Amino acid sequence: AQTVTQSQPEMSVQEAETVTLSCTYDTSESDYYLFWYKQPPSRQMILVIRQEAYKQQNATENRFSVNFQKAAKSFSLKISDSQLGDAAMYFCAYRRSQGGSEKLVFGKGTKLTVNP
Amino acid sequence: EPEVTQTPSHQVTQMGQEVILRCVPISNHLYFYWYRQILGQKVEFLVSFYNNEISEKSEIFDDQFSVERPDGSNFTLKIRSTKLEDSAMYFCASSVSSGGIYEQYFGPGTRLTVT
Repeated sequence: AQTVTQSQPEMSVQEAETVTLSCTYDTSESDYYLFWYKQPPSRQMILVIRQEAYKQQNATENRFSVNFQKAAKSFSLKISDSQLGDAAMYFCAYRRSQGGSEKLVFGKGTKLTVNP
Repeated sequence: EPEVTQTPSHQVTQMGQEVILRCVPISNHLYFYWYRQILGQKVEFLVSFYNNEISEKSEIFDDQFSVERPDGSNFTLKIRSTKLEDSAMYFCASSVSSGGIYEQYFGPGTRLTVT
């Protein structure tokens, strides 16, 4: 079974600084999808960024980028120029690309605090 | 922007009672999901639903749970006889497709408290 591990229960960053959230996963499959979801205090999870495992290029969405290391099974999220609105729980998630399974497998989350 | 909605936002029920959690997925989506998050723990997959059938379910989704799409817009999760350990946040999600890197859109959740 696939597992996702987020080793940092909490992180903090100063406004305008950069922070990196860690995520590792375990799978025997060669093709899959990885996601970072943000869950603000309002509780609705929002997709931040996604990565297809067969793509070597790291995904980027504005201030958010990932460092995808397939061999190391690592998928970290970098937030540049942090803003107060970035404060939230961040969840890393895995999904198989084949075999008909659509379920997302989540890590336990990292609570990010942004200090003014 | 279209969004997934869930009602109620908070439900309190007594152990042994039946509860129905309701979700309205995004209108052109075809795949529907329920996840739950026990306080302080990770979000866990419960069930996926497509074409009026369960397409996948986890070991958590036992005979006490059922899902239904009673009309063209609602998607419900029923827990027949609630237990204390069913207390959790329940999230509904929907996606336009299951293949590819399609996004699952999440609702705001229903907090279920079983006393």
